[in-house]
Amino acid sequence: QQPVQSPQAVILREGEDAVINCSSSKALYSVHWYRQKHGEAPVFLMILLKGGEQKGHEKISASFNEKKQQSSLYLTASQLSYSGTYFCGTDVTGTASKLTFGTGTRLQVTL
Amino acid sequence: GAGVSQSPSNKVTEKGKDVELRCDPISGHTALYWYRQSLGQGLEFLIYFQGNSAPDKSGLPSDRFSAERTGGSVSTLTIQRTQQEDSAVYLCASRGPLGGPVTGELFFGEGSRLTVL
Repeated sequence: QQPVQSPQAVILREGEDAVINCSSSKALYSVHWYRQKHGEAPVFLMILLKGGEQKGHEKISASFNEKKQQSSLYLTASQLSYSGTYFCGTDVTGTASKLTFGTGTRLQVTL
Repeated sequence: GAGVSQSPSNKVTEKGKDVELRCDPISGHTALYWYRQSLGQGLEFLIYFQGNSAPDKSGLPSDRFSAERTGGSVSTLTIQRTQQEDSAVYLCASRGPLGGPVTGELFFGEGSRLTVL
């Protein structure tokens, strides 16, 4: 089942912070975050593993609440380059054999 | 190659025709995924390959869709008797073995944009 992302869209001024949430109805082994700029392929940002380990982007942080099956992506001091659509992908198998992605959160950073 | 390569980048076809979409994953990547992205929508899982085997075909929308992978490398997604609702960008991604430096990272290709008239 597809994870639910919120908000669907957000507009920020450069330097502002944002939080994007991802919620699943199933127990998760990991949550993956990707960013897709218009007309481009999705690019990996971060993976959060069951047990608390995080791997990924230096300037973007995230949390993973295993009990609530929720993850949040924190974008601090946003830059114009952060604009794009953010997708969370959830893995319920533990083998990453099927990443199910949410519908995305469109982020626009303006001057 | 350095990244995941997909071809064709654009395909316009008439309703009822068959189409083949090709994906060349990153060399050495054993896992390969196909996703579909309709205009303004999210990423819809279609199929996953581990080596040449597809343990999970649950995402294929109908029996008009099929996919194969040969030699643990190139994969082809075939859509038979295309319909207008098949119009979308078809994305391929590959992944290295789990347990690497960045476990589970998917590398996506640029996609094949399919338009069915």
